[in-house]
Amino acid sequence: GAVVSQHPSWVICKSGTSVKIECRSLDFQATTMFWYRQFPKQSLMLMATSNEGSKATYEQGVEKDKFLINHASLTLSTLTVTSAHPEDSSFYICSALTSGNTGELFFGEGSRLTVL
Amino acid sequence: AQSVAQPEDQVNVAEGNPLTVKCTYSVSGNPYLFWYVQYPNRGLQFLLKYITGDNLVKGSYGFEAEFNKSQTSFHLKKPSALVSDSALYFCAVTLNTNAGKSTFGDGTTLTVKP
Repeated sequence: GAVVSQHPSWVICKSGTSVKIECRSLDFQATTMFWYRQFPKQSLMLMATSNEGSKATYEQGVEKDKFLINHASLTLSTLTVTSAHPEDSSFYICSALTSGNTGELFFGEGSRLTVL
Repeated sequence: AQSVAQPEDQVNVAEGNPLTVKCTYSVSGNPYLFWYVQYPNRGLQFLLKYITGDNLVKGSYGFEAEFNKSQTSFHLKKPSALVSDSALYFCAVTLNTNAGKSTFGDGTTLTVKP
């Protein structure tokens, strides 16, 4: 099956610093990737849709200057949380569509961000 | 607009008993329906999907789900629960013209007790 790798799994940073999270499709090309945020015991909140070679499409209420998304290749999308603050602490998850595109998503393992 | 409802936050069953996790959806058009499972501090794993055809779909780990168009439901079932099935389950829907941008339910925590 399609494998999506997300790195790092855990990251702790100081307030005001920036953190980059990578999402890689290991055995397929992903023209579209999605980034989510998940709060404890809550569902996934779609943050943005990342398309290879173009600007990401952000959901309403998501600050695009705060959460920078880059999809520079068919196998890599990155999410950079800029000037992180404690309220940005969360579980961030990426997903990808395969080229068959019958709708199922393949998810990364998630990244737990803690901002001190 | 599309939406998904998982009416139960928590489902508890005894090991060996059948389990059902409920999901209803609302969408204008032909739905693609999915179930995913999430273990603690992990990403989601795809379990099964309904696109078209037979209303009863079978997926990973012995799970199955039945698409009911008249009731707009897609309940997840398993004949005999295992303790290892304990996890958070998400139902998702997308329109067939917008595959991938799925709307997720709030999730149902399944606990299977020995």
